[in-house]
This record gives sequence, C-alpha cells and structure tokens, in this order.
Amino acid sequence: IAGITQAPTSQILAAGRRMTLRCTQDMRHNAMYWYRQDLGLGLRLIHYSNTAGTTGKGEVPDGYSVSRANTDDFPLTLASAVPSQTSVYFCASSTDRGDTQYFGPGTRLTVL
Amino acid sequence: EDKVVQSPLSLVVHEGDTVTLNCSYEVTNFRSLLWYKQEKKAPTFLFMLTSSGIEKKSGRLSSILDKKELFSILNITATQTGDSAIYLCAVDHSNTGKLIFGQGTTLQVKP
Repeated sequence: IAGITQAPTSQILAAGRRMTLRCTQDMRHNAMYWYRQDLGLGLRLIHYSNTAGTTGKGEVPDGYSVSRANTDDFPLTLASAVPSQTSVYFCASSTDRGDTQYFGPGTRLTVL
Repeated sequence: EDKVVQSPLSLVVHEGDTVTLNCSYEVTNFRSLLWYKQEKKAPTFLFMLTSSGIEKKSGRLSSILDKKELFSILNITATQTGDSAIYLCAVDHSNTGKLIFGQGTTLQVKP
C-alpha cells in the first residue's frame, strides 16, 4: 500500500542518547518534511527537503539533523536527546514543494 | 511574525448540530490555506484553498477563504460522532512548502 511509514511507533529514551527516527515514502514525492506536535502549540516544522540531496531548516531545527540521500528516505536524528524533545514526531511528503502534504502515522518519543 | 490562529480551541456539540471552525492568518506572501482532520494519529487532508470566495465542499464539510480579511472557515453540517477530532488549519507562504499551523480546534460530538 502506497504511503508514508515511520519507525519506531514509540520510544522511551534516556537523555543524552542518540536517536534516529525513520521515515520512508513510496509515492516518489520530491518534498519531505519533519514536524513535531506539542499540546497547545500545534505542529511545528523542524526540517524539510525539497528534493533528494537538499535539506533546509524549519521553525525549530535546533538539536535535530536530517539527511536526504535518496527520494524515499528522510531520517531525523537527535544527536543528544533532551527532555524538551519529548513530543510526537510526524513525517510528511508532497509531490513538490507547495503541494498538499500527506502525513505519516507519527512517532511518540519520550526523553527522560 | 507569521502566525495562524484558530478558534475556538475546543468545542462540544451534539449529533446533528452544525459547527463553524475559524482560522485567521498573518503571513507574508500567502500561497494557500489547508485544512486537516486529526483523529488518533496522522493528520488527514481535507481541503486546500487558494482563491477567495470559492467554496470547497466534500459531503457535509465545506470551507471558504477570504483573502481580504485573512481568514477561512470550516463548516460541518449534521455532525456525527465520527467527526470528533482535532481540526488543523495551516498556511503555505512564499511557495516554500513550509506550512505554518494553527493550534488546532478539538471538536467533540456527543451522541
């Protein structure tokens, strides 16, 4: 079934640990995005990629890094997790930048 | 500073009621406004609006954009318990694809 998958579904992590959240889409979308969703703040863009090989910073990029080695995959890495990074993380993709974005099922991350 | 504000933040109605959700925005170089419905997990796309005054409709849901007054409304008629969800409004500015989201409106429809 075509769509976006994210892994893991949920994770509890000790502060200071490194963590990579995975995102894969099979729709051949050029653009991909990472958001975090926090109560009362809505979804906020962390990083984005308009096409394979390029990335850009969103609204809240600090503490996160991304890579886009190919069209399908867009992993998000927390180099040294902190409790303020406890959140639900959504990956999204769109045909091209500015087109409708479609969201993955999310990863619930808890940093203790 | 670019921002998107939704109101009300939460709403409780009974089945059969009609609801109107509001989204106002202040962004540079507006391109489009999107509505999403979020139940348990991922937000699912409802509408994309780019032109003023043209209503988009899907079943009992409809939405319209006013680019002069900088707002959009989402109407749901004859609400059902399955309409219970968080409704998210987002604005794409400058054709960057970088969406700015509002806080969301949590709708609860009681039987």
